[in-house]
Amino acid sequence: RKEVEQDPGPFNVPEGATVAFNCTYSNSASQSFFWYRQDCRKEPKLLMSVYSSGNEDGRFTAQLNRASQYISLLIRDSKLSDSATYLCVVNFVNDYKLSFGAGTTVTVRA
Amino acid sequence: DAGVIQSPRHEVTEMGQEVTLRCKPISGHDYLFWYRQTMMRGLELLIYFNNNVPIDDSGMPEDRFSAKMPNASFSTLKIQPSEPRDSAVYFCASSLGAPGNGNTIYFGEGSWLTVV
Repeated sequence: RKEVEQDPGPFNVPEGATVAFNCTYSNSASQSFFWYRQDCRKEPKLLMSVYSSGNEDGRFTAQLNRASQYISLLIRDSKLSDSATYLCVVNFVNDYKLSFGAGTTVTVRA
Repeated sequence: DAGVIQSPRHEVTEMGQEVTLRCKPISGHDYLFWYRQTMMRGLELLIYFNNNVPIDDSGMPEDRFSAKMPNASFSTLKIQPSEPRDSAVYFCASSLGAPGNGNTIYFGEGSWLTVV
């Protein structure tokens, strides 16, 4: 079983729609959680960290559910520029490595 | 501010040749990472350094791969001899402190390697 698993999608949504997707992690001792964004043929870039209480950054909302071992990302009022692959990233206790999921592809259409 | 700088950006080489990828981390960052990304396996951590010292190279696939960090501003990833299955995007990344402890990893633009 992979340490971090994501639905690869693609999620095809119209502009203005809301899209949400999850990521599950296998190690209950996981400590830190992040969402990275990767555009086609570009490097991954940090989108947002995920805090236990959940957090929001503009149109983006991230949630953490430790009991069920998943994190989620919700994008409201989707823009064409939101089209990208979203990588779920987990850091485990006493391990300085980050483990990346394979990514969820979102395509926003006009 | 300059980000993580990688070279070459693209390389096409023949099987059996030596490939050297280079990376300059962000100044002041004391963690440096080498990742490989493929469609089949996603992003994989190959090796990481802390203060120029290799800490974990368990992700290095074979003895054909080696990495060095002779100083705080330069690292290399070498593949010798290269094979077609090494074709991938190789990302170098750096962070100011331990990842996950509130420290963001910043990626370079990647080196796109094709071995024919």
